[in-house]
Amino acid sequence: SQQGEEDPQALSIQEGENATMNCSYKTSINNLQWYRQNSGRGLVHLILIRSNEREKHSGRLRVTLDTSKKSSSLLITASRAADTASYFCATPAPNSGGYQKVTFGTGTKLQVIP
Amino acid sequence: NAGVTQTPKFRVLKTGQSMTLLCAQDMNHEYMYWYRQDPGMGLRLIHYSVGEGTTAKGEVPDGYNVSRLKKQNFLLGLESAAPSQTSVYFCASSGKQGEGNQPQHFGDGTRLSIL
Repeated sequence: SQQGEEDPQALSIQEGENATMNCSYKTSINNLQWYRQNSGRGLVHLILIRSNEREKHSGRLRVTLDTSKKSSSLLITASRAADTASYFCATPAPNSGGYQKVTFGTGTKLQVIP
Repeated sequence: NAGVTQTPKFRVLKTGQSMTLLCAQDMNHEYMYWYRQDPGMGLRLIHYSVGEGTTAKGEVPDGYNVSRLKKQNFLLGLESAAPSQTSVYFCASSGKQGEGNQPQHFGDGTRLSIL
């Protein structure tokens, strides 16, 4: 069963613009992760934000978490062609004792046009 | 430091054939996972392991078996392949550290076609 759901499904922007994608989830969570997947490759972990954090930065990435709205956003500033990829949020799987499992959304496909 | 390595990268099978996908990690991670990725459906967990000698079912376990005889290896088996198992299979591993999930490290996938 899917916990997180990304929005939009696809996004096309010009190089240099900012890209924002959102993740909504259904049940209370302890943490939320964002991953990137380049075409034909495995997922790469980008950032993990815990429920007691509201915002986290990593380079050109900014992640926010609003636990009251059960949503998170990933902002990529000053996008580059190399940012073209699919982006997934991951949340702890419901009833996953010990935080062993996560569930992934269906992803946002970002295209950055040079 | 290779991270997570999956073997093979590509494979074509006929319906009814069997095969084993191998995943190896060199990060001394406790947890290992097998996912399948299908268009429009994201990643779905097939089986996972929280330690050597232990395995558990995920969201879509039917038609698959797994084994974790060594901490660094996690094998996914298809006993009798079906066209519905055509997919891209990803292995991942993560450490075990206190409360909360840890980042998962992924291999580059095995692209499997069942004819």
